[in-house]
Amino acid sequence: KAGVTQTPRYLIKTRGQQVTLSCSPISGHRSVSWYQQTPGQGLQFLFEYFSETQRNKGNFPGRFSGRQFSNSRSEMNVSTLELGDSALYLCASRSGTGNTEAFFGQGTRLTVV
Amino acid sequence: AQTVTQSQPEMSVQEAETVTLSCTYDTSENNYYLFWYKQPPSRQMILVIRQEAYKQQNATENRFSVNFQKAAKSFSLKISDSQLGDTAMYFCAFMKLSGDKIIFGKGTRLHILP
Repeated sequence: KAGVTQTPRYLIKTRGQQVTLSCSPISGHRSVSWYQQTPGQGLQFLFEYFSETQRNKGNFPGRFSGRQFSNSRSEMNVSTLELGDSALYLCASRSGTGNTEAFFGQGTRLTVV
Repeated sequence: AQTVTQSQPEMSVQEAETVTLSCTYDTSENNYYLFWYKQPPSRQMILVIRQEAYKQQNATENRFSVNFQKAAKSFSLKISDSQLGDTAMYFCAFMKLSGDKIIFGKGTRLHILP
């Protein structure tokens, strides 16, 4: 079956702009989590959506938001971009409650200039 | 709060050798999951091995095995007969039983030399 698909793979934005990243989980998976990966901070949890509801949220400012649609696809939005938002954004898909194995997409590399 | 620490930022070993990556963690939970993930240059995060804290037996997946010491909160990964394809960033990770989020260490960059 198809894996986790993240689009776009690469993105260059200017400070102050906003950006939307997309993640399509594995078919049948209802949980989607987002992580930010930077050289300095490593991998940090942003939020998790399960059946269209945000189930958990990391310690990020309100400029970072997300949503999940009825088909489990998820989008992540970052408004008023800052240089420090440059990172690899990874999406992880899990089947649902109690399932531990997370399948990751290849990520979206966001560069803010 | 849970933390995961990987004390080896970078390691290099010759092909076919055995290498051990270290990881320690801190938690007040009694039951949880521990993972080792591999991230090659393609950036795809791949699960290498998983350990349930309530299981005493160390997990094994082919050439990969772990040494899980619950009391010491230590979770090391041993790669036997290392191959060039094992070259990657390796992340140790923790997740509570509730499965809300994965907490990652900073990673160990592993180079397998021909």
